[in-house]
Amino acid sequence: EVQLVESGGGLVQPGGSLRLSCVASGFNYIYAMSWVRQVPGKGLEWVSAISGSGDRTYYADSVKGRFTISRDNSQKTLYLEMSSLRVEDTAIYHCAKDRFVSWDNWFDPWGQGTLVTVSS
Amino acid sequence: DIQMTQSPSSLSASIGDTVTITCRASWGISTYLNWIQVKLGRAPKLLIHGASNVQSGVPSRFTGSGSGTDFTLTINSLQPEDFATYYCQQSYSTPPTFGQGTKLEIK
Repeated sequence: EVQLVESGGGLVQPGGSLRLSCVASGFNYIYAMSWVRQVPGKGLEWVSAISGSGDRTYYADSVKGRFTISRDNSQKTLYLEMSSLRVEDTAIYHCAKDRFVSWDNWFDPWGQGTLVTVSS
Repeated sequence: DIQMTQSPSSLSASIGDTVTITCRASWGISTYLNWIQVKLGRAPKLLIHGASNVQSGVPSRFTGSGSGTDFTLTINSLQPEDFATYYCQQSYSTPPTFGQGTKLEIK
């Protein structure tokens, strides 16, 4: 069974940093991966993606220059390093698997998510 | 960026009803349209891809249609587990964008 489990969320002050992790199991970890966030009471927003080999990365304009996506294929783990955090970054962060090695704007399956709260 | 607009934003229905949610893209996206179900505390779930292809394991009461700019998701014979929030998502161009969501509630 394909499973994605996120961790690393928590409460952080504006301007602070946090690193999220997503551990994958149940599939050959060669596919592109993404982070998508869900603002409570609002909608979904794609945040970042990375190719299967990790050589190509993609970011939403809202996080470019502040967030860094990476992966460790030997550990089947995806990361999102978040810095200069803002109140508007508060959300549940989900990781999701792509269907191809190259990123294809595809999200299936998803993890349950980890909550990031940015507040003073 | 391609803007996705869903309607209605919320919907009340009863078990056994048929409901339809619509999604409009700000420009043509062929059939690069997916439907995603979100329940609080659960992993979001892909229901429909390519506008009309039901994802493996998804009940056949979920159907999708449309192309270009206008799309619909229809749920036949509503079941208790179907009450959730539904999002359309375009995969035509980067960045992928989502509709604002349609919350389906029990009447």
